[in-house]
Amino acid sequence: SAVISQKPSRDICQRGTSLTIQCQVDSQVTMMFWYRQQPGQSLTLIATANQGSEATYESGFVIDKFPISRPNLTFSTLTVSNMSPEDSSIYLCSVAPTGDGYTFGSGTRLTVV
Amino acid sequence: EDQVTQSPEALRLQEGESSSLNCSYTVSGLRGLFWYRQDPGKGPEFLFTLYSAGEEKEKERLKATLTKKESFLHITAPKPEDSATYLCAVQAGANNLFFGTGTRLTVIP
Repeated sequence: SAVISQKPSRDICQRGTSLTIQCQVDSQVTMMFWYRQQPGQSLTLIATANQGSEATYESGFVIDKFPISRPNLTFSTLTVSNMSPEDSSIYLCSVAPTGDGYTFGSGTRLTVV
Repeated sequence: EDQVTQSPEALRLQEGESSSLNCSYTVSGLRGLFWYRQDPGKGPEFLFTLYSAGEEKEKERLKATLTKKESFLHITAPKPEDSATYLCAVQAGANNLFFGTGTRLTVIP
């Protein structure tokens, strides 16, 4: 199965600023996914990123707030823009199964103060 | 609307005390049901995928089963290192997963 490196692992940011999270995969994958895990809650899909096309966002998430780049088949970034304390969450990237299950990165724990 | 409900929310077991976690789901056109383990501060770790009712899969002390309405994760003779949050997710039409809120398992030595 694929191995994902996600950076940064955690960050504390001031409200109104932006943070870009990087996700690097050790093999080429068609689809990459970005999830949010709010405190005490489960994972919610933000968007699906395909190389060479615009990301597809789920209901409640918009491109202006969460712009995504997918420049090649092994890399993607998610930016959390104009942050507020409500954006404090764990953000995770995932790739479609190369074996039997979806693989997740280790997550980025974001705290907005 | 797709829905995944996990129970109990939290479970405390003595070491060696076997039990089961439940995942009830409502989804149109199930393509797969996934079990993951998540340790604090880490991403979910894949455990099993089940595709059709009646299917069972085992890995060490864990066994997952699937019916048309629910899945069980059976833990036999658990050890403290089995302590984690166990997540259930379903895949319906698209490639993304829809997750339940998880069961937080604590195994006491």
